[in-house]
Amino acid sequence: DGGITQSPKYLFRKEGQNVTLSCEQNLNHDAMYWYRQDPGQGLRLIYYSQIVNDFQKGDIAEGYSVSREKKESFPLTVTSAQKNPTAFYLCASSPGPQSGRQFGQGTRLTVV
Amino acid sequence: GENVEQHPSTLSVQEGDSAVIKCTYSDSASNYFPWYKQELGKRPQLIIDIRSNVGEKKDQRIAVTLNKTAKHFSLHITETQPEDSAVYFCAASPPLYNFGNEKLTFGTGTRLTIIP
Repeated sequence: DGGITQSPKYLFRKEGQNVTLSCEQNLNHDAMYWYRQDPGQGLRLIYYSQIVNDFQKGDIAEGYSVSREKKESFPLTVTSAQKNPTAFYLCASSPGPQSGRQFGQGTRLTVV
Repeated sequence: GENVEQHPSTLSVQEGDSAVIKCTYSDSASNYFPWYKQELGKRPQLIIDIRSNVGEKKDQRIAVTLNKTAKHFSLHITETQPEDSAVYFCAASPPLYNFGNEKLTFGTGTRLTIIP
């Protein structure tokens, strides 16, 4: 069953700690994305990757880092430099240019 | 860069009536406009999209219209049902030569509630 999987669903982090969110897809999609969703602000692009070993900053990349060592995987690290990390994070992939994004089920990160 | 505005932010309609959600965009070069539906606690899902070479597209009870001159596009849902209750997001993307696929800009969302 093809799809995109994020884990964990809920994540709690203490201030000052880095945390890594997992995103795996078995759709054979080249492009992968990370979005942040806050109430009333829609989806904002954090990072994206069009191909293995390459990624680009999105609109709100400060305080985040990514890697793309495998086509199937695009983990996101929320670093201690991110001032307001509490949010809902969505990973997505797409098969090609201007085709629909397929989203994971999201990870809700809460800083305590 | 592209700016997408979406209205209204909340919308309540009686079951069976129609719902319309409107979006405007700023970059006249944008040529791809998808709509996503996000039910409570679930992931966003693509429900329909339109490209700038057409003015309207329909899929059963949903339709999208595009006015390139005015730079706005709308989602129309007819004969609304309780399962249509969700948050709807519009988005816009510039052409491929400008890495359009990667610059999908989303609106802020409309929470649609269908009243039984």
